[in-house]
Amino acid sequence: AQKITQTQPGMFVQEKEAVTLDCTYDTSDPSYGLFWYKQPSSGEMIFLIYQGSYDQQNATEGRYSLNFQKARKSANLVISASQLGDSAMYFCAMREVPMDSNYQLIWGAGTKLIIKP
Amino acid sequence: AAGVIQSPRHLIKEKRETATLKCYPIPRHDTVYWYQQGPGQDPQFLISFYEKMQSDKGSIPDRFSAQQFSDYHSELNMSSLELGDSALYFCASGSPGQGIYGYTFGSGTRLTVV
Repeated sequence: AQKITQTQPGMFVQEKEAVTLDCTYDTSDPSYGLFWYKQPSSGEMIFLIYQGSYDQQNATEGRYSLNFQKARKSANLVISASQLGDSAMYFCAMREVPMDSNYQLIWGAGTKLIIKP
Repeated sequence: AAGVIQSPRHLIKEKRETATLKCYPIPRHDTVYWYQQGPGQDPQFLISFYEKMQSDKGSIPDRFSAQQFSDYHSELNMSSLELGDSALYFCASGSPGQGIYGYTFGSGTRLTVV
């Protein structure tokens, strides 16, 4: 079963608008971490934001915020005031903390975001 | 601040050749992860090392091997290359259990097998 689901393969958004990228996850571990990464066409994987399962507040990093709804198992990324440079592939990823694994990341399929001028 | 360094950035090899990818993690990070990302795919975990010992293994073919050296740099060795090995190979480093910013990725090595 998919552990990380990103239901939006692609999105078009007008510049300066806010955009929400969806991510739902599935885990039975009480301790886990959720990550969002940005991958522009150049290929590098850029860390954006992190949310721990025990964090009481939603994570924020500049224009990025994570709408963490633990009961719904969702961790949506919100980008405020989108810019042309935000056009990229966005991946949601999860790190579980099981006894037999060394914290590898589990990835969603990604959402391709295109910002229109 | 120092980042994860991967070399080479681009590599073109012929079928059945071998390739060696290198990764230099961030100083004091004790864990290195290797991921393979095919065109239009999400990254697939290959293998990880903790304190120079292999700690976890994912979908790494038997034709591939990896190790982490005493200076903490890691190498991914790929033999008998196939066309399907063409992908972006990422190395990431981190310190498990330290939570935030636990993973920093290098810029990747784009391998093309022709």
